[in-house]
Amino acid sequence: SAVISQKPSRDICQRGTSLTIQCQVDSQVTMMFWYRQQPGQSLTLIATANQGSEATYESGFVIDKFPISRPNLTFSTLTVSNMSPEDSSIYLCSVEGDRAETQYFGPGTRLLVL
Amino acid sequence: QKEVEQDPGPLSVPEGAIVSLNCTYSNSAFQYFMWYRQYSRKGPELLMYTYSSGNKEDGRFTAQVDKSSKYISLFIRDSQPSDSATYLCAMLGGSYIPTFGRGTSLIVHP
Repeated sequence: SAVISQKPSRDICQRGTSLTIQCQVDSQVTMMFWYRQQPGQSLTLIATANQGSEATYESGFVIDKFPISRPNLTFSTLTVSNMSPEDSSIYLCSVEGDRAETQYFGPGTRLLVL
Repeated sequence: QKEVEQDPGPLSVPEGAIVSLNCTYSNSAFQYFMWYRQYSRKGPELLMYTYSSGNKEDGRFTAQVDKSSKYISLFIRDSQPSDSATYLCAMLGGSYIPTFGRGTSLIVHP
C-alpha cells in the first residue's frame, strides 16, 4: 500500500483567493488522482495527473479553475482558484495501487470558503 | 438515475449486530466492485474488492455481488463500535476510473 500525505489538512479562505493543496506519496506512482467530496455526495473525480504530461480533467472541471502540477512521480499539487463558497468541500488525492480496483487515498484537505 | 445508488443512512445498530450495507447500480459494464471505509476526518480506505459475481470473505467482512440483480452488499458480523464509519461502494468496468456511491453512515453503539 501507499502512504499519502496532504497539506494543508484544512483551511478557511476568503472568496476570490486561491489555495494550493499538496499531495506527497511515499513511493513512485504513475497516476495520481484528485477528487472532491461534498457533504452527502459521492466522490467526484476532478482530474488525473500523470507525470510529464498535462492533467486530464473530467467533465465540469477546467484547468483555469483547478490547475494541477505533477513535477515528479511522488508529488502533485491542486490549486483551487478564484474560490467561491461553492468550492467548500473536501479535496482528496489518491494513487492507483497494483491493480486498477485498488486506490489509496490521502487524508483529505477540508476547505471552507467564506 | 445515478449509476450507483447507496442509501446515506445513518444506520444505527447495537454492538454485536450483523450489518448489511448495500448498493445498486445500472451500468452492466461494471466488473469490479469495491468497498471503502471512511472514518470521520480521514480519507477512504479500501476494505475489499471482488470481481464479477459471488462472495468474498475477510474476517468479519463479507462482500457479495449479484450481477443479475445489479446489487452488491457488504456484511459485517459481530459489529463493533470501531466499525462506526461511512462505507462507500465503488465500481469499475471499462475504465480505470471507479464510480463511487454516496456512502452509508454506520453507527455501532455499545
